Amino acid sequence: KNQVEQSPQSLIILEGKNCTLQCNYTVSPFSNLRWYKQDTGRGPVSLTIMTFSENTKSNGRYTATLDADTKQSSLHITASQLSDSASYICVVSDRGSTLGRLYFGRGTQLTVWP
Amino acid sequence: EADIYQTPRYLVIGTGKKITLECSQTMGHDKMYWYQQDPGMELHLIHYSYGVNSTEKGDLSSESTVSRIRTEHFPLTLESARPSHTSQYLCASSDHGAGELFFGEGSRLTVL
Repeated sequence: KNQVEQSPQSLIILEGKNCTLQCNYTVSPFSNLRWYKQDTGRGPVSLTIMTFSENTKSNGRYTATLDADTKQSSLHITASQLSDSASYICVVSDRGSTLGRLYFGRGTQLTVWP
Repeated sequence: EADIYQTPRYLVIGTGKKITLECSQTMGHDKMYWYQQDPGMELHLIHYSYGVNSTEKGDLSSESTVSRIRTEHFPLTLESARPSHTSQYLCASSDHGAGELFFGEGSRLTVL
C-alpha cells in the first residue's frame, strides 16, 4: 500500500534554533517528492520539489534531502523564525498515470516559541 | 504568489441547504483539483479535472459535484449539506507539464 509517514507529529522549538522533519514513503513507482508549508487556516504553499536524481534542494532557510534508495526525505529548517510556525506536509507523486497521483502525509505541526 | 482564489473563505449554514464553493485561477492551468482536509489529517482528493468539460471523482467518496465549463473556473456544489460535510475544502491547480500544485486559501464549511 502506498503511504507517506511523517515524524514527529508535532514539534516545539525556540526561535533561532534548527530543526529537522522526517518523511518516509512506500510509494512506487516514484516520480517526485514535495514539501509544502501550510499556515493555520490557509492553503499549502510549495517549498521544494525533488525528482529521483536530486539529493538535496534548498529554498532560503529550508533544505530538503532525498534518499530514493531508503525512501526517506528530510526538511531542515535553519535559524527558525516565529513565522515558521506551521504544518509541513510531505507529498509523494507516482508515475502510475498521466495525472501523477499524489500521496499526502499528515504533516508535522511546528511551533516556534520566542 | 499563486493566482488561485476561493470564495467564501468561511461559511456556516444549516442542514439541507444547497451551497457552492467557488474556485478560480488566472494561470491558465488545465488541471484543477478539490481536496478535503480535516484537522490533523492528510488532504484527500475528492474531484479533479483535466480541462474544460472533463471532471472525475477522486479517492475520497463525496456527495459533492463539480463542473468545468471554463478553464479558469471549477466550482464545487453540495445539493443538501449535512453536518458530516463540515470540513476545510481546498482548491488547487497545476500546469499540465510541471506538476507543481498551487493551492487556494481554502473554504471552511460548517454545517449545523
